[in-house]
Amino acid sequence: ETGVTQTPRHLVMGMTNKKSLKCEQHLGHNAMYWYKQSAKKPLELMFVYNFKEQTENNSVPSRFSPECPNSSHLFLHLHTLQPEDSALYLCASKGLMGRGTTYEQYFGPGTRLTVT
Amino acid sequence: DQQVKQNSPSLSVQEGRISILNCDYTNSMFDYFLWYKKYPAEGPTFLISISSIKDKNEDGRFTVFLNKSAKHLSLHIVPSQPGDSAVYFCAASQGGSEKLVFGKGTKLTVNP
Repeated sequence: ETGVTQTPRHLVMGMTNKKSLKCEQHLGHNAMYWYKQSAKKPLELMFVYNFKEQTENNSVPSRFSPECPNSSHLFLHLHTLQPEDSALYLCASKGLMGRGTTYEQYFGPGTRLTVT
Repeated sequence: DQQVKQNSPSLSVQEGRISILNCDYTNSMFDYFLWYKKYPAEGPTFLISISSIKDKNEDGRFTVFLNKSAKHLSLHIVPSQPGDSAVYFCAASQGGSEKLVFGKGTKLTVNP
């Protein structure tokens, strides 16, 4: 695998379900991000992790719970979501200061989530 | 309030002609700008970027122009090809921040 991968690609869940989204990056980066893209809206940053530590929570409701066990993996745990949470969830990674620093973030293909 | 605006939701051009995609921003502290391209069912892919210390950056068929006084940047694609048909997002960051602020995107269609 190369780049940034996300699983599953599509997910349909009920409002009482618990599910998790997975992201893995194979780029040797140390920063990882979760974004939400709703219809007709810009990409919205949700969470930022640098060296496995959460450095940004963009006022995301607690029904979204991120987890970053190491610099290559990022999860988004979902619990009691609402229909308005239906969106494309994108993971991204970036190199940090020092060797491999980049400004550009590299995105995965996304998980299309539908909450029924 | 949107800090990065792409006011044209769509643009259609003929193959071989120039495509010009525009982006305006309101935050004068932004100092790095990026363009991403997104095909359906794929994540955005980085295309080209520009630092605020420059006013132009070129990479093959793609050129980004930055007008700081007008808080405006544009992406020129010359010549346009059908494979360029995608949604193009403009993004901005401030002082090396982790946050990228995105516009809503412009859907480019290049007709053969």
